[in-house]
Amino acid sequence: DTEVTQTPKHLVMGMTNKKSLKCEQHMGHRAMYWYKQKAKKPPELMFVYSYEKLSINESVPSRFSPECPNSSLLNLHLHALQPEDSALYLCASSQLNGINQPQHFGDGTRLSIL
Amino acid sequence: DQQVKQNSPSLSVQEGRISILNCDYTNSMFDYFLWYKKYPAEGPTFLISISSIKDKNEDGRFTVFLNKSAKHLSLHIVPSQPGDSAVYFCAASLIQGAQKLVFGQGTRLTINP
Repeated sequence: DTEVTQTPKHLVMGMTNKKSLKCEQHMGHRAMYWYKQKAKKPPELMFVYSYEKLSINESVPSRFSPECPNSSLLNLHLHALQPEDSALYLCASSQLNGINQPQHFGDGTRLSIL
Repeated sequence: DQQVKQNSPSLSVQEGRISILNCDYTNSMFDYFLWYKKYPAEGPTFLISISSIKDKNEDGRFTVFLNKSAKHLSLHIVPSQPGDSAVYFCAASLIQGAQKLVFGQGTRLTINP
């Protein structure tokens, strides 16, 4: 069982829709991450939040808007997506105290853009 | 520019034998290396990691070796079990704390009975 919970597991949306992906963890981790993974490719980092503040944005298009309302929750708001945005979106979290703490991943949201 | 490379897309090993998965990296600034295992329809699961100040880390059946001069790390699984069949990703980190992980392309490991 994963300790990082992502909802929904699957999402199909049109290019004009607005939807949100949700991620939750209760491990007390203060860093949270969004990754995008295309088929047969490795995960690619999109955003990093440290202590609920955006610390890394990997030049992600503005149609993806992250939000970290508190230390346990991470959202990814989607608007006007393109068909090439269809992918598995993974959330992860990690400790920030101490060095070299592994990231723990959720099972992802599989997103399909029509 | 692929900074982390796993040159073997797939590997097939007999049950009970040793599985060796390899990973090369180009950025000498990486200071933390991890291996993740991924089953279909699940997220990556953390397996084992190693800091750049060490050359070996062992956890049960899993051992990771790091050769900094060659910019090479490997994951040894012994003995291999059918449940080890999955895709294995090597990852490297540039920043301590909130990590910017860079993943390799993955190696699909199949354990044959």
